[in-house]
Amino acid sequence: QKEVEQNSGPLSVPEGAIASLNCTYSDRGSQSFFWYRQYSGKSPELIMSIYSNGDKEDGRFTAQLNKASQYVSLLIRDSQPSDSATYLCAVTGGFKTIFGAGTRLFVKA
Amino acid sequence: SAVISQKPSRDICQRGTSLTIQCQVDSQVTMMFWYRQQPGQSLTLIATANQGSEATYESGFVIDKFPISRPNLTFSTLTVSNMSPEDSSIYLCSVAGELAGSSYEQYFGPGTRLTVT
Repeated sequence: QKEVEQNSGPLSVPEGAIASLNCTYSDRGSQSFFWYRQYSGKSPELIMSIYSNGDKEDGRFTAQLNKASQYVSLLIRDSQPSDSATYLCAVTGGFKTIFGAGTRLFVKA
Repeated sequence: SAVISQKPSRDICQRGTSLTIQCQVDSQVTMMFWYRQQPGQSLTLIATANQGSEATYESGFVIDKFPISRPNLTFSTLTVSNMSPEDSSIYLCSVAGELAGSSYEQYFGPGTRLTVT
């Protein structure tokens, strides 16, 4: 069974620090990789997508993909209290997307 | 990205009844999906809503319990039939496809919070 694994957390970082969120997946044929942010009581919001090995930067967010290690990460620089949320990793192979259970992030002011 | 609305936003229903949830998108999209999210849990895909044909259900979900319609490229409904308290959850529709921005990037509606008593 295809799986996406995340550390459930909570991950607590001080304001201004770098938050590092990690995700591993089991299907080597996976092609597309996503990070969603979900605030409590809200629906998931797409914040990053990455399709090839390496880094992709968007503002304070950097997604990193290593297909050989089947590993995806999200770095949040200069973390803010407003970044406190659950971050879901999602992996697509074919037309099927599998979501991880999410990592809860707390940014302390 | 597409703008997605869902109705109702929340409901409290009695066991044994049925509830139909609507998902409306402001532009045509290729793919529409229905998910369930239990409190504190991740997303579980119920089915893919196919325009003009029967939905594709995931393991553990059946058409008799969760009938789905998709009459066009902007609208879908999910019915939760013969409800029990175990159906209490948040139900989310999502869209993907080139018309929504990218083939596989999914965008979610605001969700429907269902409580079955």
